[in-house]
Amino acid sequence: IAGITQAPTSQILAAGRRMTLRCTQDMRHNAMYWYRQDLGLGLRLIHYSNTAGTTGKGEVPDGYSVSRANTDDFPLTLASAVPSQTSVYFCASSEDSNNEQFFGPGTRLTVL
Amino acid sequence: GQNIDQPTEMTATEGAIVQINCTYQTSGFNGLFWYQQHAGEAPTFLSYNVLDGLEEKGRFSSFLSRSKGYSYLLLKELQMKDSASYLCAAMDSNYQLIWGAGTKLIIKP
Repeated sequence: IAGITQAPTSQILAAGRRMTLRCTQDMRHNAMYWYRQDLGLGLRLIHYSNTAGTTGKGEVPDGYSVSRANTDDFPLTLASAVPSQTSVYFCASSEDSNNEQFFGPGTRLTVL
Repeated sequence: GQNIDQPTEMTATEGAIVQINCTYQTSGFNGLFWYQQHAGEAPTFLSYNVLDGLEEKGRFSSFLSRSKGYSYLLLKELQMKDSASYLCAAMDSNYQLIWGAGTKLIIKP
């Protein structure tokens, strides 16, 4: 692994299903983030973690949950997907919360 | 409220210079970031300014005026590969990035 990876690359999901998007980094960065990107809007922060064992809510956290059991992994879970969660999801990491962020390749999620 | 404004789209000619402006309003300020995002790809970091003035990095330069809540990204000697969206983001007092919607830059030969 080099940098930050996300899985799956894309997914089509039925409404009401549970889904976990995976994110792994090998840079030993302390901070990690989940964003969604929708056409015409800026990146919006869903959840973040400043260090392993802690998480926080971003601008649009409703319907999403995260965990940070270790430094490398930061999964994002949709408990019961809805069509408005159709988006491109980017995971990012930074050495600390005040440094530049490095982005994973993204997951394109469609909820029908 | 917190807000970032940048033009939606700009067009420029290969070999020319283009300036992409960004104005911001945030609760506290811990720096201004510029990212490049090619269609279908992830954003990649270009520059960071926290003090007033110009930071130059090859063909790209970024300027910040904290008193005016204003930044610009200057791209010189434009190449076709510079066709992309350019994202402006300001870091607030909680060290969270507030993102603009991005400026789509179209380069014509």
